[in-house]
Amino acid sequence: SQQGEEDPQALSIQEGENATMNCSYKTSINNLQWYRQNSGRGLVHLILIRSNEREKHSGRLRVTLDTSKKSSSLLITASRAADTASYFCATDEAWVAAGNKLTFGGGTRVLVKP
Amino acid sequence: ETGVTQTPRHLVMGMTNKKSLKCEQHLGHNAMYWYKQSAKKPLELMFVYSLEERVENNSVPSRFSPECPNSSHLFLHLHTLQPEDSALYLCASSQELGRGPYSNQPQHFGDGTRLSIL
Repeated sequence: SQQGEEDPQALSIQEGENATMNCSYKTSINNLQWYRQNSGRGLVHLILIRSNEREKHSGRLRVTLDTSKKSSSLLITASRAADTASYFCATDEAWVAAGNKLTFGGGTRVLVKP
Repeated sequence: ETGVTQTPRHLVMGMTNKKSLKCEQHLGHNAMYWYKQSAKKPLELMFVYSLEERVENNSVPSRFSPECPNSSHLFLHLHTLQPEDSALYLCASSQELGRGPYSNQPQHFGDGTRLSIL
């Protein structure tokens, strides 16, 4: 089964509301990253939180990490129509002797209605 | 602009064709990746190159053949593909291949090649 799993799979909100999505994972991680993907485009890195951090902010984004529960959340405050996208968590974990790898979850599709 | 350019953006090919996907990064990064993104499945890592050397092929079928001639370019050569290979193929790069518990390597993605196998 996959390392990161997002919840919910889809989310529909009105512009101005907050959007919260969660990510759960199974094994020990070095860091956890969140990415955004607009339709027909590649993934864009949003924020990285290390395993020894509990909360991080970047603009309207707030990420929390609870390593005891193996979970993370992404909060988008005061959402805008331009925030409509799929959001993915990715866990950075030990992989081979040469280095780590990112394992992506299935994503949360967010629709922000104007 | 993400600094990672993929061509072509769309590709339709028959199962007996041979084609190549190209990725170029202008970020001075040393690690490059190929991912496959299928509908309703998580992003799957296919190949990783670090300093032009393949790190792992992740048990990808041999009908996919990667090539990394230098740290800025990555190719994915395709031959005798199957219908289930239809997907979005994404290239990414990072400064280095992350190592150890203090890794800090966000990846920069291209916009992908949408591949359809007839």
